[in-house]
Amino acid sequence: DTGVSQDPRHKITKRGQNVTFRCDPISEHNRLYWYRQTLGQGPEFLTYFQNEAQLEKSRLLSDRFSAERPKGSFSTLEIQRTEQGDSAMYLCASSLSLGSSGNTIYFGEGSWLTVV
Amino acid sequence: SQKIEQNSEALNIQEGKTATLTCNYTNYSPAYLQWYRQDPGRGPVFLLLIRENEKEKRKERLKVTFDTTLKQSLFHITASQPADSATYLCAPGAGSYQLTFGKGTKLSVIP
Repeated sequence: DTGVSQDPRHKITKRGQNVTFRCDPISEHNRLYWYRQTLGQGPEFLTYFQNEAQLEKSRLLSDRFSAERPKGSFSTLEIQRTEQGDSAMYLCASSLSLGSSGNTIYFGEGSWLTVV
Repeated sequence: SQKIEQNSEALNIQEGKTATLTCNYTNYSPAYLQWYRQDPGRGPVFLLLIRENEKEKRKERLKVTFDTTLKQSLFHITASQPADSATYLCAPGAGSYQLTFGKGTKLSVIP
């Protein structure tokens, strides 16, 4: 399978615990994105990387959230001291950088987080 | 602030008919617009991209229009099938990264 893969697909955690999600993008893609999606809403942008550099972070990304892409390949998204409001599907996506003409973004299947 | 509205949360249509989904945007001048399909519990899947200098784009039974004067995109599925039932998301874009998505329209094609 050469698509975007995410792990784990489902995570149930107790409030206050830390969780980490991993994303492996399509191998030739240099851009990697994290989105969050709750029921009935569209995906909301969290952050994106070009190679290993984190170039943009949404205001939605509180200081409990941290994302890394250490070697410009896979990425991790860590949520510290989880809260019930963090329950959502976390989507990873990747693309090539094609300038301003529009990048098609390829999504993974998402990681569902339930905070109890 | 930027606002994206998709015409309705849910649309029911008879099999074989043409489904038309609407995406309106305000306070925004996108250079392109993308449509994605999302099945329950799955990530969105790219369908079509249309640029601001293109009026219409087609792919098999899909057709997208982009009217920058009306600030609107229409997404059509002709000869709809039950397998087309899904949520469809529009995502206007400007610049080389980051899409902003609408809430989506849930399409149900009734046999």
